[in-house]
Amino acid sequence: EDQVTQSPEALRLQEGESSSLNCSYTVSGLRGLFWYRQDPGKGPEFLFTLYSAGEEKEKERLKATLTKKESFLHITAPKPEDSATYLCAPSRSGDYKLSFGAGTTVTVRA
Amino acid sequence: DGGITQSPKYLFRKEGQNVTLSCEQNLNHDAMYWYRQDPGQGLRLIYYSQIVNDFQKGDIAEGYSVSREKKESFPLTVTSAQKNPTAFYLCASSSEGGSPLHFGNGTRLTVT
Repeated sequence: EDQVTQSPEALRLQEGESSSLNCSYTVSGLRGLFWYRQDPGKGPEFLFTLYSAGEEKEKERLKATLTKKESFLHITAPKPEDSATYLCAPSRSGDYKLSFGAGTTVTVRA
Repeated sequence: DGGITQSPKYLFRKEGQNVTLSCEQNLNHDAMYWYRQDPGQGLRLIYYSQIVNDFQKGDIAEGYSVSREKKESFPLTVTSAQKNPTAFYLCASSSEGGSPLHFGNGTRLTVT
């Protein structure tokens, strides 16, 4: 059975204090791993797809990396507007049953 | 702009009543999904549809029903058989299996 674990559950940062979020997974035949951002009361917003170990993707202060068993989302010099819950989901080709992690809720204080 | 529209944003119902949540997409995606989100839990798949007139149960389908008569629409009915219907419901679509999902902004259902 696919397992997706995100850590930590919650992360409180001071503005400018860089940190990383972890997504570990056990999925055979990985096609790609998705990262999403979710604001309170809204649907998840797609951020990145990572396809192979060693790949990196960047968007503003966010950088996602992938290994064979984990993905990391690095937040560099975060701002309060980066406060959100970040979700990851590994996918297999042709598989419609995507499993999401429970998410990491990031709070950035000014 | 292409996207997914869920309505209404908030819905209140009495216990024992069925309720239907609307989901419409104009992304021309073949696949559509319904997820449920509860505090502190990940997204759980209720139903998904790969193509018009076809749908499959997800992990928590009991007490729910769906239809897919049009490519653009995938309504979800929460029936009185669902034991704990109060939750945040998210509709999504994708071009194919294994592709990124695009989500609507959800419907928060409260049943009292």
